[in-house]
Amino acid sequence: DGGITQSPKYLFRKEGQNVTLSCEQNLNHDAMYWYRQDPGQGLRLIYYSQIVNDFQKGDIAEGYSVSREKKESFPLTVTSAQKNPTAFYLCASSITDGNTIYFGEGSWLTVV
Amino acid sequence: KQEVTQIPAALSVPEGENLVLNCSFTDSAIYNLQWFRQDPGKGLTSLLLIQSSQREQTSGRLNASLDKSSGRSTLYIAASQPGDSATYLCAVESNSGYALNFGKGTSLLVTP
Repeated sequence: DGGITQSPKYLFRKEGQNVTLSCEQNLNHDAMYWYRQDPGQGLRLIYYSQIVNDFQKGDIAEGYSVSREKKESFPLTVTSAQKNPTAFYLCASSITDGNTIYFGEGSWLTVV
Repeated sequence: KQEVTQIPAALSVPEGENLVLNCSFTDSAIYNLQWFRQDPGKGLTSLLLIQSSQREQTSGRLNASLDKSSGRSTLYIAASQPGDSATYLCAVESNSGYALNFGKGTSLLVTP
């Protein structure tokens, strides 16, 4: 089945550690996105990529990094510089900007 | 910056009622508007996409309208069912933007 796969579903990070969240899509979509969701809040854009080997910062990129070496993959690294990383992280993709956007099931990150 | 507001934040209705969820946005220069559904702890599912040139879209018991000039959209749910219980999110893509700006959502509970 076509879709977006995020892993792991749950992740615990010790303070000072970097962690990487995986996002893979088999929809042949050019655009991919990472959003963060905090309880009772809307989604906020971290990074987005319109094409392979290109990505742009969103509204809250500080403390995060991404890569887009393959069309189907857009991993997000939460670095130790992100002071409040506990949140629900959602990866999404669309054919191009302006089209229906499809989301993965999300990854929960907790700092312990 | 585009601001998206959803009212009410929470809504409880008995099964069978028709209901309306509201979404407003501050910048009318939009490319499209999307409505999503989110179940607890899950990713988002796209319900309806309205392009800026359209006034409404329909899918089954759902109807979404768009009034760009007033910066408003409504999601109409007919004959509500307990399975409709979820959080409904409105998101806007601006002409000058590159990704979606989300509202905080309306949490809907449909009681049997």
